[in-house]
Amino acid sequence: GDSVTQMEGPVTLSEEAFLTINCTYTATGYPSLFWYVQYPGEGLQLLLKATKADDKGSNKGFEATYRKETTSFHLEKGSVQVSDSAVYFCALSDGNQFYFGTGTSLTVIP
Amino acid sequence: DAGVIQSPRHEVTEMGQEVTLRCKPISGHDYLFWYRQTMMRGLELLIYFNNNVPIDDSGMPEDRFSAKMPNASFSTLKIQPSEPRDSAVYFCASSWATTNYGYTFGSGTRLTVV
Repeated sequence: GDSVTQMEGPVTLSEEAFLTINCTYTATGYPSLFWYVQYPGEGLQLLLKATKADDKGSNKGFEATYRKETTSFHLEKGSVQVSDSAVYFCALSDGNQFYFGTGTSLTVIP
Repeated sequence: DAGVIQSPRHEVTEMGQEVTLRCKPISGHDYLFWYRQTMMRGLELLIYFNNNVPIDDSGMPEDRFSAKMPNASFSTLKIQPSEPRDSAVYFCASSWATTNYGYTFGSGTRLTVV
């Protein structure tokens, strides 16, 4: 069945460092791909999405490109801030439901 | 739009008591999902509805859990009787006709069973 695998955490970075969180997927059809972010004590919020191959989703300085050839959707940010500290979830949708990764905790230190 | 609204935000109850969690999805959304989040098991899909009809409840852990959606604007998740291992954050989410547009999550209900 469909599934998502994302890199284990936790990840700790210094402010202004480059961030990559790896995500790969397995799907039988043509899924849409998402990154969600969860700040402490809150629900998950949609960060960005891509609905077809080669699409790039972007928001708040974060980017991810839908790579069909490598079945990947890695999250990147060029310069992280303390306020980016959160848990990041990769997910795919087959049109009926989502399949979430296990989440990667990111802590950014000043 | 006020987003997905869940109540209560926090619930503390004694083992054996009945607990009811409530969710109001975004108006016009066709899908509603109930998730449970714990440190040990992460985010688990419990059940989802399409146009008020339960589609997949295979994630409901046992018969103590039940969910209903009597109309397009309201859903409940009930645990009876509650047990300490049910302690978790329960999220409701809703989406348009296809989840390819993404879910919108509520803020969650933190349940503690003592």
